[in-house]
Amino acid sequence: NAGVTQTPKFQVLKTGQSMTLQCAQDMNHNSMYWYRQDPGMGLRLIYYSASEGTTDKGEVPNGYNVSRLNKREFSLRLESAAPSQTSVYFCASSLRTDSGNTIYFGEGSWLTVV
Amino acid sequence: DAKTTQPTSMDCAEGRAANLPCNHSTISGNEYVYWYRQIHSQGPQYIIHGLKNNETNEMASLIITEDRKSSTLILPHATLRDTAVYYCIALFSGAGSYQLTFGKGTKLSVIP
Repeated sequence: NAGVTQTPKFQVLKTGQSMTLQCAQDMNHNSMYWYRQDPGMGLRLIYYSASEGTTDKGEVPNGYNVSRLNKREFSLRLESAAPSQTSVYFCASSLRTDSGNTIYFGEGSWLTVV
Repeated sequence: DAKTTQPTSMDCAEGRAANLPCNHSTISGNEYVYWYRQIHSQGPQYIIHGLKNNETNEMASLIITEDRKSSTLILPHATLRDTAVYYCIALFSGAGSYQLTFGKGTKLSVIP
C-alpha cells in the first residue's frame, strides 16, 4: 500500500515549456487534490476532483489544467511554465466518511522554472 | 471553515510531552478539528482529528474543550523526529467542502 505517489520528484523547466505532474493513489479514495507550497508559505489548493469525472478550481488555478484520468489518477499540467510556478507541488486524496474527510498527501514534486 | 490560531513556535525537551494549543473560537457544530504536521518540506502528514470527543491514536491525543473553542494536541513522549510544523485546521464535514486551508502553524522544536 503505497498511498499517494507523485512523479516526477524533481523537474527543471525552461520558461514556456510544458509538463505534466502525475499522481496516483491506491486507497480507493473518491477525491483527489493538487496543492502548491511556496517557500515559507502554507499550502494553497490549485484544483481538486471531488469524484471521478469531476474537477473544480481551487484557490490558485491560473496557469494549470487537470485531468482525472480514472479513480486512481489525477494529473496536473502546466501548458506554458512561468518562473512564478516554481514551487513544491503536493497531490493528495481523501475519502469522505461519517467521521470526516481525512486528506492524505504525497511526498511532493519540486519544480523549478528558469 | 473557521479560522484557527496557534502559537508561532514552541520548544519541548526530548522525552517530555509536547502540548500544542489551538484556538478555534468561531468553529461551527459540523466542523472537525484536524491536526497535520510537515517535516522539513515533506508532504503534510495526518495526525488526528475529532469533532467533540477527545481522541487518541498511536501518534497523539487530541483534547477538545467542551465548548469546542479550543483544542490541544498532545505528543506524549516527544522525540527529535517530532520536530516539525504542526497545523491545526477546522474543516467542515459536509458535502461540497474540500479545501483544507493551512495557516502558518506552530513550529515545534524538540530539544535533546
